[in-house]
Amino acid sequence: GESVGLHLPTLSVQEGDNSIINCAYSNSASDYFIWYKQESGKGPQFIIDIRSNMDKRQGQRVTVLLNKTVKHLSLQIAATQPGDSAVYFCAENSKTGFQKLVFGTGTRLLVSP
Amino acid sequence: DVKVTQSSRYLVKRTGEKVFLECVQDMDHENMFWYRQDPGLGLRLIYFSYDVKMKEKGDIPEGYSVSREKKERFSLILESASTNQTSMYLCASSSPPRGQIYGYTFGSGTRLTVV
Repeated sequence: GESVGLHLPTLSVQEGDNSIINCAYSNSASDYFIWYKQESGKGPQFIIDIRSNMDKRQGQRVTVLLNKTVKHLSLQIAATQPGDSAVYFCAENSKTGFQKLVFGTGTRLLVSP
Repeated sequence: DVKVTQSSRYLVKRTGEKVFLECVQDMDHENMFWYRQDPGLGLRLIYFSYDVKMKEKGDIPEGYSVSREKKERFSLILESASTNQTSMYLCASSSPPRGQIYGYTFGSGTRLTVV
């Protein structure tokens, strides 16, 4: 079945470093991808999305890269700050039946000062 | 901004109780979703609804039911709570243009403990 996975369950970085969070997806027909950030005790918050007609999309301090050839998605956070510490989820759209998002299990980003 | 409000942040219920989790969104979204979130398992879809009085099973509907009598409100019901339903429950909504898909807006979650 469809699945979205993450390479690393926990990523530890120093404040000011760039962070890269990776995600592998299995459905080659998926054409929409999204990253969410979830801080402790809160619901997931939208960070950035990308459609399959793009390879790269930039936001404020964040960049999402999409490699459809190897079905890989990454989230890059520039100049990581302590406030970026959270769990990050990728999701892809289900292309079967009613379109809905399929979520990965999440990567915890820990930023130390 | 769209706001999705879940009525309780924390709930403790006894095994066998009937439990109601309420979710309200204030932006006239058509689609609403209930997920549960468990460590190592990510977000798993329980039920969703794409219109008033419409409901569809997600990936793990067993032991749950839902109600959507009004567009803004989507309720999750645990018919007879069990300890394996202890979890974080997240409600979400979305309103994509026809044929499109967009990200969801999530509530803050309800952490349910069944004892």
